[in-house]
Amino acid sequence: EPEVTQTPSHQVTQMGQEVILRCVPISNHLYFYWYRQILGQKVEFLVSFYNNEISEKSEIFDDQFSVERPDGSNFTLKIRSTKLEDSAMYFCASRPSFLKSYEQYFGPGTRLTVT
Amino acid sequence: DAKTTQPNSMESNEEEPVHLPCNHSTISGTDYIHWYRQLPSQGPEYVIHGLTSNVNNRMASLAIAEDRKSSTLILHRATLRDAAVYYCILSKGVGNQFYFGTGTSLTVIP
Repeated sequence: EPEVTQTPSHQVTQMGQEVILRCVPISNHLYFYWYRQILGQKVEFLVSFYNNEISEKSEIFDDQFSVERPDGSNFTLKIRSTKLEDSAMYFCASRPSFLKSYEQYFGPGTRLTVT
Repeated sequence: DAKTTQPNSMESNEEEPVHLPCNHSTISGTDYIHWYRQLPSQGPEYVIHGLTSNVNNRMASLAIAEDRKSSTLILHRATLRDAAVYYCILSKGVGNQFYFGTGTSLTVIP
């Protein structure tokens, strides 16, 4: 069964450094999402992406964040200058366009630790 | 945000049915009701979804109230592997992104 994959599984970085989190959505899916989950808290929506542009973003997704689909398979989340409070699990999700129910498929997540 | 309200935690004995309730009084006519679960250290996993009618799949059943302002996820025979946080979600927005609540932490007692 096809699945969403994410790399790395764990990323440790120093405050102020740039990080790129990578996701390979399920092929033939057209909508892509990033969510984050701070330890012990709920899953929070960051951004949705369709047709090579952001379709919606949350208040969390400020100028420090960017997303890109550099080729036909990868979908990346970049944090330009990490802060301690960016430490969280980051989940990528994707969905096909033909599912009217908008079911999303989530990856296993990348744990980001900012020190 | 599309608001859903769930109990923080529930317990069930193994091999007994579990009914997980969710209130979503602000639901609009085109919102689907999704249920996902999250096991420790994993990403959210699809369980079931519905619009108006009750739904069954191999994992669970979903009972939707006639006014759609509440729903109940039914696990017919809870197993230890069903211990997880269960989220009731309405998809909203241009990209139909999910707005998660705090979910219900289900403990299954052997």
